[in-house]
Amino acid sequence: DAKTTQPPSMDCAEGRAANLPCNHSTISGNEYVYWYRQIHSQGPQYIIHGLKNNETNEMASLIITEDRKSSTLILPHATLRDTAVYYCIVRVRMDSSYKLIFGSGTRLLVRP
Amino acid sequence: DGGITQSPKYLFRKEGQNVTLSCEQNLNHDAMYWYRQDPGQGLRLIYYSQIVNDFQKGDIAEGYSVSREKKESFPLTVTSAQKNPTAFYLCASSEAFAQHFGDGTRLSIL
Repeated sequence: DAKTTQPPSMDCAEGRAANLPCNHSTISGNEYVYWYRQIHSQGPQYIIHGLKNNETNEMASLIITEDRKSSTLILPHATLRDTAVYYCIVRVRMDSSYKLIFGSGTRLLVRP
Repeated sequence: DGGITQSPKYLFRKEGQNVTLSCEQNLNHDAMYWYRQDPGQGLRLIYYSQIVNDFQKGDIAEGYSVSREKKESFPLTVTSAQKNPTAFYLCASSEAFAQHFGDGTRLSIL
């Protein structure tokens, strides 16, 4: 079962910030939050991940609430190429490895 | 360039046939994974392998088999026991913190 809840769709204007919310109220203390995106008929692309602290890289920023029950992915200046399905994922431990538990994602449409 | 190569991109299977999907990586990653994606849904884990000659079942392993004879290769066989094989299949490999995906194979039943 998915451990995250996301809105099914969102849109934003090109050049504006896109803020994608995610709820993960049952996340455990050692489970990371990951974000991937998927453009139609391609494999998911890694964006960013975090545990407790806010994170930023060249693609996006990740804001995690203090209680870790929710997070927000921020694309600071969305472009048309950012149109994709965005997955908020919890990484859980399994044996000596880990797995990514995907939900249904948010379909982001960036408008010209 | 380093990456994950899945082939073929499209595959058609007749009822009762086994088919094998190829996944090759040149990233020198130890861990590899197979996922299945149905329309409008997220990915579900089929099998994974941490090292050569070892692999483990994921959440939906029934009707599938894998092998890991080489570090670079992790082929997936969809057997006739898989009653609903039509889906998009994705292979991934991982380093310490992120899984990197290939571009998938779309399998359809004739």
